[in-house]
Amino acid sequence: NAGVTQTPKFQVLKTGQSMTLQCAQDMNHNSMYWYRQDPGMGLRLIYYSASEGTTDKGEVPNGYNVSRLNKREFSLRLESAAPSQTSVYFCASGDWAQETQYFGPGTRLLVL
Amino acid sequence: TQLLEQSPQFLSIQEGENLTVYCNSSSVFSSLQWYRQEPGEGPVLLVTVVTGGEVKKLKRLTFQFGDARKDSSLHITAAQPGDTGLYLCAGALRGAQKLVFGQGTRLTINP
Repeated sequence: NAGVTQTPKFQVLKTGQSMTLQCAQDMNHNSMYWYRQDPGMGLRLIYYSASEGTTDKGEVPNGYNVSRLNKREFSLRLESAAPSQTSVYFCASGDWAQETQYFGPGTRLLVL
Repeated sequence: TQLLEQSPQFLSIQEGENLTVYCNSSSVFSSLQWYRQEPGEGPVLLVTVVTGGEVKKLKRLTFQFGDARKDSSLHITAAQPGDTGLYLCAGALRGAQKLVFGQGTRLTINP
């Protein structure tokens, strides 16, 4: 039982390059989330998917797109990376009946 | 404007001391969670409190949910170096299916 897994762990991009961050969970949760964490800012929600087939914007969605591929997988895409997107990205899945979320280990992204 | 305000943002104390971290809001939450995050890792859920006035204990950690379900506190007794980390509170707004996070309290326990 791996919980929430994220790939890659680290990535360096040049401005304008694109990439997709992958997330998978094996806890049979309906809800999945993407956050970014910057110093002094806590966790900010980028996008979430309350159930398979639905996605909604969070607090900071600009510059990102998401795909809920199936119940297990939720990917985050940066179409044209900018230095302001340098951050640590966390994926989480949730059991909304318990109102709890479980986090992956994070992806550290540097955009030059 | 931060919906959930945590205080203090930074706290450095000696091993054996007691401490309290606060999480305050003007909004009512259906539940509130506390997470701990260590460097290079994702946040790990410590506890969920659901009922106004609820108190939960996890070894030396005591969590309280305010009577009006707008605030919460985390009290650590006899802090140890292993308690060092970033503590995050997060509130669930009824029907929203997402959490609102505070900015975190970075705690350092010195041996």
